[in-house]
Amino acid sequence: AQSVTQPDIHITVSEGASLELRCNYSYGATPYLFWYVQSPGQGLQLLLKYFSGDTLVQGIKGFEAEFKRSQSSFNLRKPSVHWSDAAEYFCAVATGNAGKSTFGDGTTLTVKP
Amino acid sequence: GAGVSQSPRYKVAKRGQDVALRCDPISGHVSLFWYQQALGQGPEFLTYFQNEAQLDKSGLPSDRFFAERPEGSVSTLKIQRTQQEDSAVYLCASSPDRARQPQHFGDGTRLSIL
Repeated sequence: AQSVTQPDIHITVSEGASLELRCNYSYGATPYLFWYVQSPGQGLQLLLKYFSGDTLVQGIKGFEAEFKRSQSSFNLRKPSVHWSDAAEYFCAVATGNAGKSTFGDGTTLTVKP
Repeated sequence: GAGVSQSPRYKVAKRGQDVALRCDPISGHVSLFWYQQALGQGPEFLTYFQNEAQLDKSGLPSDRFFAERPEGSVSTLKIQRTQQEDSAVYLCASSPDRARQPQHFGDGTRLSIL
């Protein structure tokens, strides 16, 4: 069965600093990988997705993620964090044929002024 | 509307009551998903529709949970004889094609069972 681990429950960074959120997955074949962001009281917004091809994917709001098969990782990065980026971030993995995506438990990002 | 709309936003029910949660997906979206999100956790898959066909309901926790999408647009998630462990946020998502992964989420319905 597929699974997702987000090792960091909570991360605090200063505004303007770089950010990396970690995601490790467990799945036998090439997975479909996603990052979502969730603000309090709201649904999830898709930041970016990886299906195949270039392992560095660009998303919305200046985010990018890199798929590393050898490390079973799909870490999310942003070069300069803005206060509005404070939210909960979820990594998810899906198979090509299944309707279900498996989500990690999320990383809460706090941005210090 | 422009996004996925869920109603009600908040629902409080007594244990044993039946509840119905509604999802209006983005117009024309083929795929529709229901997820359950407990406090402090990531969403857990419940069920998936492609148009009116329910292709996967393996995530429904028990036979008290039932979902339908009779005309391939609006969907309803029904929970019968609610129990306290059903308290959670129920998220609906839609995707524009036969994509089997959720792309656009609603803001969810927060269900509290007393």
